[in-house]
Amino acid sequence: QSLLTQPPSASGTPGQRVTISCSGTSSNIGSNSVNWYQQLPGTAPKLLIYSDNQRPSGVPDRFSGSKSDTSASLAISGLQSEDEADYYCSSWADSLNGPIFGGGTKLTVL
Amino acid sequence: EVQLVQSGAEVKKPGESLRISCKGSGYTFTNYWINWVRQMPGKGLEWVGRIDPSDSYTNYNPAFHAHVSISTDKSINTAYLQWSSLTSSDTAIYYCSRVSVGYYGPQDYWGQGTPVTVSS
Repeated sequence: QSLLTQPPSASGTPGQRVTISCSGTSSNIGSNSVNWYQQLPGTAPKLLIYSDNQRPSGVPDRFSGSKSDTSASLAISGLQSEDEADYYCSSWADSLNGPIFGGGTKLTVL
Repeated sequence: EVQLVQSGAEVKKPGESLRISCKGSGYTFTNYWINWVRQMPGKGLEWVGRIDPSDSYTNYNPAFHAHVSISTDKSINTAYLQWSSLTSSDTAIYYCSRVSVGYYGPQDYWGQGTPVTVSS
């Protein structure tokens, strides 16, 4: 069961900007930072954004994150075909004493 | 280079036991927590539990606690996820991941995943 809510799908054309939302509660996103993971088909997840809006080394600046209250967003600008993947938000859940994930958003590049 | 290398795919029957492994290299293994994450076929990511390799302290997702066990052998930089009696609903890919900073940090490195199939 997913405690963070994401849209199941998103799409865009090459060069376009797309955003993926992630909604939580005061006991997860509202009081903890948000991380985003990218999972390319058939591969392991990869850390894309951490601490709401920080990019690990090697992640292009086309990817950006933001957070407000109990919601977060991932934005991808200059969409490329290789961005086609599943994207998961994650935050710490105080009630679980562990990390929780959103259900994932499948991004299609048309 | 930080790497987490997991053991290979497993095919088991219901009721059998299983232990899968995750070997860390390229960093001080005892300085970072290790998570286990489940991904059922066509589904999303679920946190199973985590372990501190320095002292083997664990905490589990209550949904999994009664069914799995997490351990570590720090002498060989390896963490384990274990079942004593598998069921068909354990069929999934299991990933290990490293927690980057402290207790609450993001998961910065992931293993390649271990597919587990449980079928009679």
